[in-house]
Amino acid sequence: EPEVTQTPSHQVTQMGQEVILRCVPISNHLYFYWYRQILGQKVEFLVSFYNNEISEKSEIFDDQFSVERPDGSNFTLKIRSTKLEDSAMYFCASSEVSGRVAERDTQYFGPGTRLTVL
Amino acid sequence: DAKTTQPPSMDCAEGRAANLPCNHSTISGNEYVYWYRQIHSQGPQYIIHGLKNNETNEMASLIITEDRKSSTLILPHATLRDTAVYYCTRYYTGFQKLVFGTGTRLLVSP
Repeated sequence: EPEVTQTPSHQVTQMGQEVILRCVPISNHLYFYWYRQILGQKVEFLVSFYNNEISEKSEIFDDQFSVERPDGSNFTLKIRSTKLEDSAMYFCASSEVSGRVAERDTQYFGPGTRLTVL
Repeated sequence: DAKTTQPPSMDCAEGRAANLPCNHSTISGNEYVYWYRQIHSQGPQYIIHGLKNNETNEMASLIITEDRKSSTLILPHATLRDTAVYYCTRYYTGFQKLVFGTGTRLLVSP
């Protein structure tokens, strides 16, 4: 069964450093998402991406964050200058379509990258 | 604002049915109810979704009340591996995000 994959599983970085989290969405999916979950808290939406553009973003997704689909398979989240409060699990998700037919709207999540900022 | 209300925790004996309720009294006509679960800190796992009708798949059944203000996820024969946090979410096809609440922590015991 196709699945979303993410690398690395755990990333440790120093405050102020740039990090890039990588995701490989399910191959026939067109919509991509990033969510995060701070330890003990809710899963929060960050951004959605379609056709090489951001479709929607949350208040959390400020100028320190960026997303990119650098090639036909990868989807990345970059944090330009990490802060202590960026420590969290980051989940990538993908869906076949969005906003049209619910069956194909279903978002499938990857296993996550645990980001630790020291 | 998750706009769904779930009990914080529930217990279930292994082999019995687990019935997890969710209140979504302000749901609009275009919003679907999606259920996910999260085991430890793994990525949320899709379970089932519905709009108006009851739904069943290989994992679970979803019962939606006629007024659509609440729903119940049913795991017919719970196993220890079903121990997880279960999230009832609302999804509006005009937007592209899932809004997660705090969910129900289901503990399945032998």
